[in-house]
Amino acid sequence: QKEVEQDPGPLSVPEGAIVSLNCTYSNSAFQYFMWYRQYSRKGPELLMYTYSSGNKEDGRFTAQVDKSSKYISLFIRDSQPSDSATYLCAMSARYGGATNKLIFGTGTLLAVQP
Amino acid sequence: NAGVTQTPKFQVLKTGQSMTLQCAQDMNHEYMSWYRQDPGMGLRLIHYSVGAGITDQGEVPNGYNVSRSTTEDFPLRLLSAAPSQTSVYFCASSYVGSSYNSPLHFGNGTRLTVT
Repeated sequence: QKEVEQDPGPLSVPEGAIVSLNCTYSNSAFQYFMWYRQYSRKGPELLMYTYSSGNKEDGRFTAQVDKSSKYISLFIRDSQPSDSATYLCAMSARYGGATNKLIFGTGTLLAVQP
Repeated sequence: NAGVTQTPKFQVLKTGQSMTLQCAQDMNHEYMSWYRQDPGMGLRLIHYSVGAGITDQGEVPNGYNVSRSTTEDFPLRLLSAAPSQTSVYFCASSYVGSSYNSPLHFGNGTRLTVT
């Protein structure tokens, strides 16, 4: 079983729809949770991060973490064609040295149709 | 400010050939790392470094070597390429510290095909 599971999609929605992207994980030591966005033929870029449980909102994007269920979500409101990309969840526990040893999900490919 | 620069963008190798993938960053980041991205597998950590002269193995290190002689550069060497190393390779860097406030910055990748 992978440490982080993510539905690969593809997910196709009409412009203006609310999008829900999800990841589950098995390692209860994870405390830092991130969402990266990756456009075609580009490197991933950090979209949002949260620490421990709770919600965080940034414009049209909301990240949710439920540590009791080992489940994280990214919601995109009023989705735009420019949101079409692969979305990767990533998470880590604290390490003594290299605290950026992130574990990534496989990514969900999202297409927003105009 | 260029960020993380990877060269080459594309490369085709024959089985058994060697090559070095270059990575340079201009953000004075202590932490640098190499990932490979394969369909259905996501991003997997190959090697990483927390500073000049310090390197360590990640999840999938076999077949790859690294060294870190300067803060800016972190090359990845394939000594004898195999078809299983066909992948997209990403270099990433950050400040050392909590991953909460020190996100990884990625380059745009090197697409490697081994025939």
